Amino acid sequence: KAGVTQTPRYLIKTRGQQVTLSCSPISGHRSVSWYQQTPGQGLQFLFEYFSETQRNKGNFPGRFSGRQFSNSRSEMNVSTLELGDSALYLCASSPNDRGDSPLHFGNGTRLTVT
Amino acid sequence: SQQGEEDPQALSIQEGENATMNCSYKTSINNLQWYRQNSGRGLVHLILIRSNEREKHSGRLRVTLDTSKKSSSLLITASRAADTASYFCATQGYSTLTFGKGTMLLVSP
Repeated sequence: KAGVTQTPRYLIKTRGQQVTLSCSPISGHRSVSWYQQTPGQGLQFLFEYFSETQRNKGNFPGRFSGRQFSNSRSEMNVSTLELGDSALYLCASSPNDRGDSPLHFGNGTRLTVT
Repeated sequence: SQQGEEDPQALSIQEGENATMNCSYKTSINNLQWYRQNSGRGLVHLILIRSNEREKHSGRLRVTLDTSKKSSSLLITASRAADTASYFCATQGYSTLTFGKGTMLLVSP
């Protein structure tokens, strides 16, 4: 089975712009979670989607949004980018939303905001 | 906010030695998981231990869980240079999986 695929791998944006990141989960996985990783804050949970519904949301401003499509692929969007949004954004998938299965991570999208 | 906290923050050992990392957490959990991350890449799942389990093994990895102390440990035996990575514990409570800040392990040849 192919693993979790995240595109693009690297992104450089300017303050004030918006960005969309994409995640394709492992085939058959219906749950997709997003995390932001920075040296200072570590791994911070952004949101989780299951069957196109947002199940949980982390403590991030409304500039961060996401969605999941019927084929379980997911996108996250960050609007009005700030310097502090520079981070590695990780997507992870799992078969269900019960929390009793490991997460399978992609290699992330490295976002740099200048 | 982080649920788990790993200790130590960094660990440097020689090949062949054992490496022990600890994780403490604050609230009740359903399970605790350990992940490894090589520099700049995604996390790889290592072991999941449920709240009613006390010990679990996988190859050279041994994980213990003490729910009364709200702590877990990860032991890597006979370390190899390829084990150099960051190791994270993650706790699964009512809803989301919450990660600690990790232990950076350096294994020198």
